[in-house]
Amino acid sequence: EPEVTQTPSHQVTQMGQEVILRCVPISNHLYFYWYRQILGQKVEFLVSFYNNEISEKSEIFDDQFSVERPDGSNFTLKIRSTKLEDSAMYFCASSDTGTKSDTQYFGPGTRLTVL
Amino acid sequence: LAKTTQPISMDSYEGQEVNITCSHNNIATNDYITWYQQFPSQGPRFIIQGYKTKVTNEVASLFIPADRKSSTLSLPRVSLSDTAVYYCLVGDIGAAGNKLTFGGGTRVLVKP
Repeated sequence: EPEVTQTPSHQVTQMGQEVILRCVPISNHLYFYWYRQILGQKVEFLVSFYNNEISEKSEIFDDQFSVERPDGSNFTLKIRSTKLEDSAMYFCASSDTGTKSDTQYFGPGTRLTVL
Repeated sequence: LAKTTQPISMDSYEGQEVNITCSHNNIATNDYITWYQQFPSQGPRFIIQGYKTKVTNEVASLFIPADRKSSTLSLPRVSLSDTAVYYCLVGDIGAAGNKLTFGGGTRVLVKP
């Protein structure tokens, strides 16, 4: 069964540093998403991406965040200057058609620890 | 966005059937009901989705009454590996606003 993959599985960084989290969505999917989950809290939507542009973003996704699809397979989330409160699990997801009746498939996540 | 309410936690034993009911009184005509499962430190995993009546797949069944104001996820004969958090999500099928909105979910603990 095809799956979403993410690298690295764990990233430790110093406050103020830039991090790039990488995802390889399922190959024929057209819609891509990032979510995050702070330890012990709910899964929160960050951003959705389609046709090389952002479709929707949440209030969390401020100017410190950006997404990119640099080639035909990767989808990245960049945090320019990390804060302590950015520590969380970050999940990438992808779907085929992008409607809410469509299944979003999630990756295993990247645990980001900001010191 | 329809608000969902589900139990915070449930305990069960291996081999039993687990039923988790989700209330969504304000469900809209275009809304689908979707359930996800999440193991610790892993991404949510799609279990089942339905619009009305009953849906069954190899993992679970989803029962939706005629008024659609609630739904019940049924996990037959659970095992220890079914210990997870189960999320009920309700959303419309329109192309705009593709995000999934997760609540707190139901933490299911399966005991030996």
